[in-house]
Amino acid sequence: NAGVTQTPKFQVLKTGQSMTLQCAQDMNHEYMSWYRQDPGMGLRLIHYSVGAGITDQGEVPNGYNVSRSTTEDFPLRLLSAAPSQTSVYFCASSQGLAGYQETQYFGPGTRLLVL
Amino acid sequence: AQTVTQSQPEMSVQEAETVTLSCTYDTSESNYYLFWYKQPPSRQMILVIRQEAYKQQNATENRFSVNFQKAAKSFSLKISDSQLGDTAMYFCAFMKRYGGATNKLIFGTGTLLAVQP
Repeated sequence: NAGVTQTPKFQVLKTGQSMTLQCAQDMNHEYMSWYRQDPGMGLRLIHYSVGAGITDQGEVPNGYNVSRSTTEDFPLRLLSAAPSQTSVYFCASSQGLAGYQETQYFGPGTRLLVL
Repeated sequence: AQTVTQSQPEMSVQEAETVTLSCTYDTSESNYYLFWYKQPPSRQMILVIRQEAYKQQNATENRFSVNFQKAAKSFSLKISDSQLGDTAMYFCAFMKRYGGATNKLIFGTGTLLAVQP
């Protein structure tokens, strides 16, 4: 049981490039989400999914796309990278929605640098 | 909207001593959860302890315990017998219970704890 895994661990991009951050979980969790962590600001929710085929926007969705074709995977796509997207990105998952099995487990993070 | 405030950016404690990290929050909700997450230098986010707002009893997990004051909207973390491995950034987080389609966690800005030998 690997829990929540993320790849890559570190990535450098040039402004305007696109890339996909991968997230996978092997716990059969319904709920998955993406957060970004910036200095002095804690973690902020980008997008989330309550199950395969269902996604929605969080607090800071601009510049990012997501899809959820399977229960296990929840990739985050940067369409045209900007320096403001330099951050550490965390994927998280939980078994169900708030009020049920809602404790969230985090992946190890992806550090992204946009030049 | 909910907010979480951690007013101590940095703290230091001697090994084997006790330290308390502060957290206050603002919400109009009556049903919610509060969490403390630990982020060591590896950057992994690790759940330390969880408190359900409807429970009056304070949560404990080994050396970690909380002081939950619902009326005051305060949720402090006490670490007893501090160990070098406790050195990390600690985040307080809030989540609405029965919050609909989102399990959104609202985080504070963190407290960097250094345990000194």
